[in-house]
Amino acid sequence: GQQLNQSPQSMFIQEGEDVSMNCTSSSIFNTWLWYKQDPGEGPVLLIALYKAGELTSNGRLTAQFGITRKDSFLNISASIPSDVGIYFCAGQRTPLVFGKGTRLSVIA
Amino acid sequence: DAGITQSPRYKITETGRQVTLMCHQTWSHSYMFWYRQDLGHGLRLIYYSAAADITDKGEVPDGYVVSRSKTENFPLTLESATRSQTSVYFCASSELAGIQETQYFGPGTRLLVL
Repeated sequence: GQQLNQSPQSMFIQEGEDVSMNCTSSSIFNTWLWYKQDPGEGPVLLIALYKAGELTSNGRLTAQFGITRKDSFLNISASIPSDVGIYFCAGQRTPLVFGKGTRLSVIA
Repeated sequence: DAGITQSPRYKITETGRQVTLMCHQTWSHSYMFWYRQDLGHGLRLIYYSAAADITDKGEVPDGYVVSRSKTENFPLTLESATRSQTSVYFCASSELAGIQETQYFGPGTRLLVL
């Protein structure tokens, strides 16, 4: 099936550092979504992007919808221990197309 | 409680046994989905349903059966469990399809097949 290329696969960072991750596709999407999965839980929606070029923030999180509509980026500023988890991008189809996730570890 | 729930949360079974994982949502969402999550594979769609009595295969449907007789319930059955079906299973629901679709996930069922 269709896949999104999400990178990096995993990251180890120091508390306080900024984090960047991205998601690319060979296909155009009209909506991009970013989910976070805490350890032992189901994924939870963080940010939804509906317009090419759109930049949307949710607290320390900022996500961008690429102008080509084939990519999206997620940045986390000043990371804290509770940012640990797996971050998934998803592109709009029915059903959604998910990336394989970026596993984030934060070292205090 | 409102939301989406899954039961059981943990299950150990043996090869060849039938297992049913339950999913219940209280939002009256039209769409429901079953995923499995394995290391290195992310979330893989097993089956989904657009409404009661309407189901469609996802990426990895083999060995699984679903039904949707009521809008709020979407059980997933492993007819004859295999070790390769050891995984974490997530149910999700969404109100809309298309551009405004947002899926809400349950807490997951951790299944071990011995």
